[in-house]
Amino acid sequence: SQKIEQNSEALNIQEGKTATLTCNYTNYSPAYLQWYRQDPGRGPVFLLLIRENEKEKRKERLKVTFDTTLKQSLFHITASQPAVSATYLCALPDTGGFKTIFGAGTRLFVKA
Amino acid sequence: DTAVSQTPKYLVTQMGNDKSIKCEQNLGHDTMYWYKQDSKKFLKIMFSYNNKELIINETVPNRFSPKSPDKAHLNLHINSLELGDSAVYFCASSQDLGLAGEQYFGPGTRLTVT
Repeated sequence: SQKIEQNSEALNIQEGKTATLTCNYTNYSPAYLQWYRQDPGRGPVFLLLIRENEKEKRKERLKVTFDTTLKQSLFHITASQPAVSATYLCALPDTGGFKTIFGAGTRLFVKA
Repeated sequence: DTAVSQTPKYLVTQMGNDKSIKCEQNLGHDTMYWYKQDSKKFLKIMFSYNNKELIINETVPNRFSPKSPDKAHLNLHINSLELGDSAVYFCASSQDLGLAGEQYFGPGTRLTVT
C-alpha cells in the first residue's frame, strides 16, 4: 500500500522567511494530494488539494507543487508569521481511492 | 455553528470498561469517518460510512463497533477498553466517498485508559 514520508524533525524558521515542507510517497502516483494543518489539541483542517495534472497551486501565501516523477509534493508558506506555526499533514488516496492515507506531519515553528 | 462535533472532549476510564464517543456533522455530507491518532501522531482510518452503510473497516478489534443511526451521526462504542486504546479519536466527514474532496474533522476525543 501507499506510504507517505514527511520530515519528522521540526522546522524552525524566522518570521518573514519562506517555509518549505516536503511530502514523499513511495508507490503509485495518486490522482490528487492534499495538505492539512493541525494545531495542538485540534483536528486537522484542510488547506489545499492539488491534482496529478496540476504542477502548482496557490492560495494566499501558500503554494503547493506536485511532481509525479519525483513522487513528491512541496508545500511553501511565504512571508511566514508566528501564526502559521502548526503541524502540516500531507494526505493522499490509497488504492481504490476510498481511503485517505495521512503522513505523520511536519511541525513548523516560526519565530518572531 | 460547529461543522463536526464530538462528545466528550476528554474521556478517562479504567481498563475493562465500555465507553462511547458521539459524532455529529451538520454539513449535509454523505460520508463519515473515525480516525485514531496515536502518540506518534499518525492519523489512521478505522471506519468509514457512506449514507449509513459501512464502507471501510480497517483491521480494528471487534471491541470497536461503529453505529450510524442516520447520515449526520456516527458513534463509536468501545468494549473492554485496553491500555493500548489510549489515543485521540477524530470523527470526520466529506461530501462523498471516493471523490477528491476535503475532509472536515471534529475536535477530537482524547481517550485515556488507566
